[in-house]
Amino acid sequence: GQNIDQPTEMTATEGAIVQINCTYQTSGFNGLFWYQQHAGEAPTFLSYNVLDGLEEKGRFSSFLSRSKGYSYLLLKELQMKDSASYLCAVDNFGNEKLTFGTGTRLTIIP
Amino acid sequence: DGGITQSPKYLFRKEGQNVTLSCEQNLNHDAMYWYRQDPGQGLRLIYYSQIVNDFQKGDIAEGYSVSREKKESFPLTVTSAQKNPTAFYLCASSISNRAYGYTFGSGTRLTVV
Repeated sequence: GQNIDQPTEMTATEGAIVQINCTYQTSGFNGLFWYQQHAGEAPTFLSYNVLDGLEEKGRFSSFLSRSKGYSYLLLKELQMKDSASYLCAVDNFGNEKLTFGTGTRLTIIP
Repeated sequence: DGGITQSPKYLFRKEGQNVTLSCEQNLNHDAMYWYRQDPGQGLRLIYYSQIVNDFQKGDIAEGYSVSREKKESFPLTVTSAQKNPTAFYLCASSISNRAYGYTFGSGTRLTVV
């Protein structure tokens, strides 16, 4: 089976940095996605990691360690509009669909 | 512009009625998916389809039905057998190996009245 864990809720201050962790236990790992979802809207793609290391894209970065079954999403210079849920999703060889974590609801406070 | 379209955005259903949610994509994606999302919860897979005229049950298929007669279309019917249908429904599509993840539609919010 597959198991993906993310914190349920996090709070951070505008202008600060926050790290959202995702751990997974799975076989045949093929890649990990991060999505952002504002309340009542569709998830939108943020990042995709296949190899170990850090992928940087503007204020957002994503890290993967395949050996540890661990990823994190790093958000810098937080803005109020970053208040959203962040979904971690794992792709596996031989599995015809992504497996989603339950998501982390991030609240940015002034 | 290519994309994935869900309609309607809001839908109200009386108890005992079947309703069908539309999902259309012009991305030439082979695979399509239906998810249900309850308030404050993650995504739960209802049905998915990898090719035309074929589909598989997800984790919570009971009370739902789908068809995949065309590559572009994957409608979801919420039947009267679904006892708690009020939720946010998301349709998604991807290329067959999911190398670029999913593209999601904007969702349909279904409410039973």
